[in-house]
Amino acid sequence: DAGVIQSPRHEVTEMGQEVTLRCKPISGHDYLFWYRQTMMRGLELLIYFNNNVPIDDSGMPEDRFSAKMPNASFSTLKIQPSEPRDSAVYFCASSSSTGEYEQYFGPGTRLTVT
Amino acid sequence: AQSVAQPEDQVNVAEGNPLTVKCTYSVSGNPYLFWYVQYPNRGLQFLLKYITGDNLVKGSYGFEAEFNKSQTSFHLKKPSALVSDSALYFCAVREVGTGGFKTIFGAGTRLFVKA
Repeated sequence: DAGVIQSPRHEVTEMGQEVTLRCKPISGHDYLFWYRQTMMRGLELLIYFNNNVPIDDSGMPEDRFSAKMPNASFSTLKIQPSEPRDSAVYFCASSSSTGEYEQYFGPGTRLTVT
Repeated sequence: AQSVAQPEDQVNVAEGNPLTVKCTYSVSGNPYLFWYVQYPNRGLQFLLKYITGDNLVKGSYGFEAEFNKSQTSFHLKKPSALVSDSALYFCAVREVGTGGFKTIFGAGTRLFVKA
């Protein structure tokens, strides 16, 4: 298995622009998580899905952030409009509810908003 | 509410010496406990977990951790550190039986192993 795939790996954009981050979870995993990592706040859970349905989005910072999971093999995290304080590394992770309990992380997307 | 604390921002150890990275947790019920490692510019990698059973769990790269219910701790250990163990280590906890999969991560402890 290729593991969790995220794209792009790096994104540089100007304030006010829309940003879309993409994630492909490990095949067969039924949980998908989006995290944000910064030096100041550490690793924060933004939202997670089970069987493509959002379960907990309490970590989404504000309405500028939205996440979707249209099918079991794809999810997006969108920021519109982006702001400099959104600069961070965004990770996607997936997990299985049957047998495994750990999460498998993608390589992350480093977002810089200027 | 679940929480996890890693009291040390940084741990320094000489190569060949034993290492310990500390973690304490708080949950209402029984915990699932995890350790992850992050190398520069990489995602987190799973090291080991405690779900049930033996309090001493062994994981990847020679790491092990001991679950101590009375002290609510899950310290990460390795008998002999390697320079290549230098990385950022995260402890994480999930509460059993809550019906959800929300996992809380600690702030991380940076491990430096000096040759």
